[in-house]
Amino acid sequence: GAGVSQSPSNKVTEKGKDVELRCDPISGHTALYWYRQSLGQGLEFLIYFQGNSAPDKSGLPSDRFSAERTGGSVSTLTIQRTQQEDSAVYLCASSPGPGQGSYEQYFGPGTRLTVT
Amino acid sequence: GEDVEQSLFLSVREGDSSVINCTYTDSSSTYLYWYKQEPGAGLQLLTYIFSNMDMKQDQRLTVLLNKKDKHLSLRIADTQTGDSAIYFCAEPGTYKYIFGTGTRLKVLA
Repeated sequence: GAGVSQSPSNKVTEKGKDVELRCDPISGHTALYWYRQSLGQGLEFLIYFQGNSAPDKSGLPSDRFSAERTGGSVSTLTIQRTQQEDSAVYLCASSPGPGQGSYEQYFGPGTRLTVT
Repeated sequence: GEDVEQSLFLSVREGDSSVINCTYTDSSSTYLYWYKQEPGAGLQLLTYIFSNMDMKQDQRLTVLLNKKDKHLSLRIADTQTGDSAIYFCAEPGTYKYIFGTGTRLKVLA
């Protein structure tokens, strides 16, 4: 079946521009996560959605970052006025949700963002 | 605090065993996970262990869990060049996974 998909796979943008990253989770998965992976770094948690609500936004690095999820499905991560330090791979993951077994997260291939 | 620690690099020769170590923080974690990330790809679940187990074996993979010391290890027997990747251990936190920094495994032919 279809896994988690993300688009675009690569994005190059100029400093100061806004970007929007998209994540399509596995159908039926209620939980959705965004992580950031900078070069040579581990995974940095950004935000978690349960359905359309985000009980944990603690990982968003600044107010230039925002995310939304509509219809309990697709999510977009928006970065306004991009800075060079925003360059990273942005990973999305989904899981069936709380109380649904082993809590395995299924990851998308990521969007590589380069800010020039 | 929430912190999962791993060594950053491991280099082994093809055919040898690899052991990747991890220390975690939350003794109440019900599951602990190992994920693999191949170059240019997302993370893929490799294996997981339930917290009431000490060991889990799955083909070439052996996971050992020491709850007293909060230590988790992944052993890969007969390591192959295709095993070259970054390996992350993870524990479930509130609303999210807490990932280690990842161990980059390099397999030398």
